[in-house]
Amino acid sequence: GQSLEQPSEVTAVEGAIVQINCTYQTSGFYGLSWYQQHDGGAPTFLSYNALDGLEETGRFSSFLSRSDSYGYLLLQELQMKDSASYFCAVGGSGSARQLTFGSGTQLTVLP
Amino acid sequence: NAGVTQTPKFRILKIGQSMTLQCAQDMNHNYMYWYRQDPGMGLKLIYYSVGAGITDKGEVPNGYNVSRSTTEDFPLRLELAAPSQTSVYFCASSRRGQGGNQPQHFGDGTRLSIL
Repeated sequence: GQSLEQPSEVTAVEGAIVQINCTYQTSGFYGLSWYQQHDGGAPTFLSYNALDGLEETGRFSSFLSRSDSYGYLLLQELQMKDSASYFCAVGGSGSARQLTFGSGTQLTVLP
Repeated sequence: NAGVTQTPKFRILKIGQSMTLQCAQDMNHNYMYWYRQDPGMGLKLIYYSVGAGITDKGEVPNGYNVSRSTTEDFPLRLELAAPSQTSVYFCASSRRGQGGNQPQHFGDGTRLSIL
């Protein structure tokens, strides 16, 4: 089977840096994705890592270590609008075309 | 550019009733997906399709059916609604790829309550 573990809640202040970790166990692995979801909204794609290392997209960065089955999402210069749920997802377990999502991390950014 | 459009946005059903959740995309994506999201939880894949006429089961297919007669449309059918199917349903689409290397684009969801 497959499972993903990520913290349920994280709190930080505006302007700070926060890291959301994700560990996974899966029978097949193609890559690790991150999605953002604001309350009541649709998930939106943030990043994808297939290879080890850091991928940077503006204030957001995502890291993958395949040997450790571990990744994280790094959010810098936090803004109030970053308050949302963040989901990691692994691709390849069961079928190369499927994504398996974690339960999500609720990020609260305080003024 | 509409993206992925889901209808209806909200619906209340009685136990045992049937309904179809509609999903349409205008991005010419080959792949389409149906997920359900229970409160405080992640997305669970119900069914997916890699092209017209091709569908396959996801993690939680029981109680649902799908069809894909065109590239644009991917309806989800609930035949005998049960309280356990109360959830938010998201449809998504993506270009052809594997393992998540193509971003999935989501609709705004259908909030379904079974009473």
